[in-house]
This record gives sequence, structure tokens and C-alpha cells, in this order.
Amino acid sequence: GEDVEQSLFLSVREGDSSVINCTYTDSSSTYLYWYKQEPGAGLQLLTYIFSNMDMKQDQRLTVLLNKKDKHLSLRIADTQTGDSAIYFCAETPQGGTASKLTFGTGTRLQVTL
Amino acid sequence: DTEVTQTPKHLVMGMTNKKSLKCEQHMGHRAMYWYKQKAKKPPELMFVYSYEKLSINESVPSRFSPECPNSSLLNLHLHALQPEDSALYLCASSQTSSGNTIYFGEGSWLTVV
Repeated sequence: GEDVEQSLFLSVREGDSSVINCTYTDSSSTYLYWYKQEPGAGLQLLTYIFSNMDMKQDQRLTVLLNKKDKHLSLRIADTQTGDSAIYFCAETPQGGTASKLTFGTGTRLQVTL
Repeated sequence: DTEVTQTPKHLVMGMTNKKSLKCEQHMGHRAMYWYKQKAKKPPELMFVYSYEKLSINESVPSRFSPECPNSSLLNLHLHALQPEDSALYLCASSQTSSGNTIYFGEGSWLTVV
């Protein structure tokens, strides 16, 4: 079955860039997503990328996709304390069936002063 | 507006109680979902409704009973729950179950005592 892996924890200083990485196994993945979950809150969709793209930028967020290596990354520029949260990557298979959304294990981002 | 609204935010119930979680969206989405999330874990899919009909039940125990009264509302009826059912219950929606983007609500924190 599909498998999506992330490192568990990342600590960065305020103002630095954060890079959160994700690897997946399903070569038929069509959409790949990044969700943010703050403590005690639901999941906020940050951004998503279609598998025929290799980069997407949205303000401080840059998503890079290496489809050959099945590697997805989220770069947060000028990281702020408000960026402290758990970040989940997720993917849907070919056909983009939302009901088959597979989440990664989540990366907890800690931003220090 | 990409809002999915869930009530209540917190619920404490006894093992013999009957309660319901409610979810509402006004984005015109025709697919709605219930997910369960335990601490430090990614969300797990429970149910999918597509055009107000139950399309996926991920082998969820019958003490959880979903209901979709109309295209904007989704309920989760709870009865005779166990302490291990304590979790964050997330509602989500997408344009269709083949739609590419799922939007989540803030969740309902359930504690079973």
C-alpha cells in the first residue's frame, strides 16, 4: 500500500528558513499536499502541488517535488513563532480521489527565539 | 470561503451516553468526511459521504453512526463509546470524492469517561 514518511521533529531559529521533507512510495500519486496543524486545532491546507509540476511558490512557502525520487519538501522562509505546528504531507493516487488521501506521520516544527 | 464548521469543540461523555457531533459547510461541496485523530498521529479516515450517500465505511464500529441530512450537513452519532474512542474527530469536505482538495474543520475533542 501507499506509504508516506516524514521526520518527526525539526527545530529552527526565528528568521531562518525551515525545510520539511516527505517521501512517498506511490508512483501514481497525482496531488501532494501540505497541511498545518497547530496545537488543539484542525488541519489547515497550506498548499498543494500537482505531480506534473516540480515547484510551487506561495508567499513564504515553496514546495519542491522530485518525482523521480518521490521526494516532496516544504520550505518556509523567514520562519516565525506562529509557524510552530505539526506539518503533514499527504498524497492522493492517480485519479485524484480525495477519499484515498494518505497522510505522512507529521513533522513537529519548533521555532526558537 | 473555505470553512468547515464543527460543533461542539469539546465533548465529555460517559460510556452509556448518546451524543452527536455536527459538521457544516457552505462551499457547495458534495463529498464530506469523518476522520479520527489520536494524539501525535495523522488523521485516519472513518466515513465518506458522496452526494449525501455513504460511500465508504472504513470498518468503523457500529457505536459510531454517521448521518448526512443534506448536502451541507454531516453528523456523527455516538452511543456506548469506550474510553479508547477518546480522540479529535475531524470533519472535512471536498467538491466531490474525486475532487483534489479536502478542507478540514477545527475538530471536536471527544473524551469518553
